[in-house]
Amino acid sequence: NAGVTQTPKFQVLKTGQSMTLQCAQDMNHEYMSWYRQDPGMGLRLIHYSVGAGITDQGEVPNGYNVSRSTTEDFPLRLLSAAPSQTSVYFCASSLHPGTYNEQFFGPGTRLTVL
Amino acid sequence: GQNIDQPTEMTATEGAIVQINCTYQTSGFNGLFWYQQHAGEAPTFLSYNVLDGLEEKGRFSSFLSRSKGYSYLLLKELQMKDSASYLCAVRDFDYGGATNKLIFGTGTLLAVQP
Repeated sequence: NAGVTQTPKFQVLKTGQSMTLQCAQDMNHEYMSWYRQDPGMGLRLIHYSVGAGITDQGEVPNGYNVSRSTTEDFPLRLLSAAPSQTSVYFCASSLHPGTYNEQFFGPGTRLTVL
Repeated sequence: GQNIDQPTEMTATEGAIVQINCTYQTSGFNGLFWYQQHAGEAPTFLSYNVLDGLEEKGRFSSFLSRSKGYSYLLLKELQMKDSASYLCAVRDFDYGGATNKLIFGTGTLLAVQP
């Protein structure tokens, strides 16, 4: 199993550009989520999904869209990038919501918005 | 509100024991996780507590007191490779009781010195 994969690893955008961060997992996990990590702020939840076709907002959803058309994929879209979105983005997945399930994290995407 | 507190930095000596504390105030509680994160890498799971008491896993132990909103991670026989950030995270629950939303602290950067 590849686990949780993310592409790209690094990205530089100009203000106003759009892009999609890709996330995929091959563990048949129901729960997937996106976090951003900023110095001194810890990991903050952007959006999450409890299964295909179901998504919901986390703590910092503004400026980001998600969709979950398959169990495996959970892309994160930035419609109009802003410098405040410069961050490291982590995708995570776990077996299913509810009782004990550790979340497995992808390697991260380091995004810079100029 | 949601609040998780950890010390920002700690220093310890190789071979010694170190205790990293975490206090939390959250609207809901459905378990507490500890993750390890090396610089430039993704967080990896260390331990999980949902009931009061001590969970031991090799050189790592984690303790939880729900009444005090308190947890600690104990690292024994410290090795240089233990130099990393240690993230405390509380799992929230919604009215349906089924969520894996994690609220993270800002992390404790541990430096292990020879």
